Amino acid sequence: GDSVTQMEGPVTLSEEAFLTINCTYTATGYPSLFWYVQYPGEGLQLLLKATKADDKGSNKGFEATYRKETTSFHLEKGSVQVSDSAVYFCALNSGGYQKVTFGTGTKLQVIP
Amino acid sequence: DTAVSQTPKYLVTQMGNDKSIKCEQNLGHDTMYWYKQDSKKFLKIMFSYNNKELIINETVPNRFSPKSPDKAHLNLHINSLELGDSAVYFCASHAGGNQPQHFGDGTRLSIL
Repeated sequence: GDSVTQMEGPVTLSEEAFLTINCTYTATGYPSLFWYVQYPGEGLQLLLKATKADDKGSNKGFEATYRKETTSFHLEKGSVQVSDSAVYFCALNSGGYQKVTFGTGTKLQVIP
Repeated sequence: DTAVSQTPKYLVTQMGNDKSIKCEQNLGHDTMYWYKQDSKKFLKIMFSYNNKELIINETVPNRFSPKSPDKAHLNLHINSLELGDSAVYFCASHAGGNQPQHFGDGTRLSIL
């Protein structure tokens, strides 16, 4: 079945540091890939997505590229801010009855 | 005009009680979900409905019973609450295809 593996947290960075959160997946066919962000006390919200190989999703300074050859969708940001502190989830949707497979989440803490 | 709304936001109750959580979406989506998030932020799908029909029923105790009176509503009833049911429960909806899911803000259930 489908699976998503993302790096364990927590990840602690200083403000303006470079961020990478690794995500790899296993899926049949050609899934769509997503990054969701969960701020404290809130639900998950879409951060970015990519629907086919070599697509790059981007939003709020975050980027991720759909790499089919390495089955990866790593999240990056060049300069993190304290307000980026949240839990980040990598996810995939390989169709069917729209079951989305989520990774275990990576908590990011950015300190001033 | 909240897209996916859950009530209540907090629910504190005693072991053995029966409780319900309500969810409504105004996005016109056909598919709705219930997820359980534990204290480590791991997100586990419980149920999914498509146009009022149950399509995903993961390994969940039969004390949990979802009900979808129409495609805009998916409620969750829990009988005989146990300590292990303490978690945050999220409702989500989905338009289908490669679109993202939309999440409510969660219901924080605490069992005393």
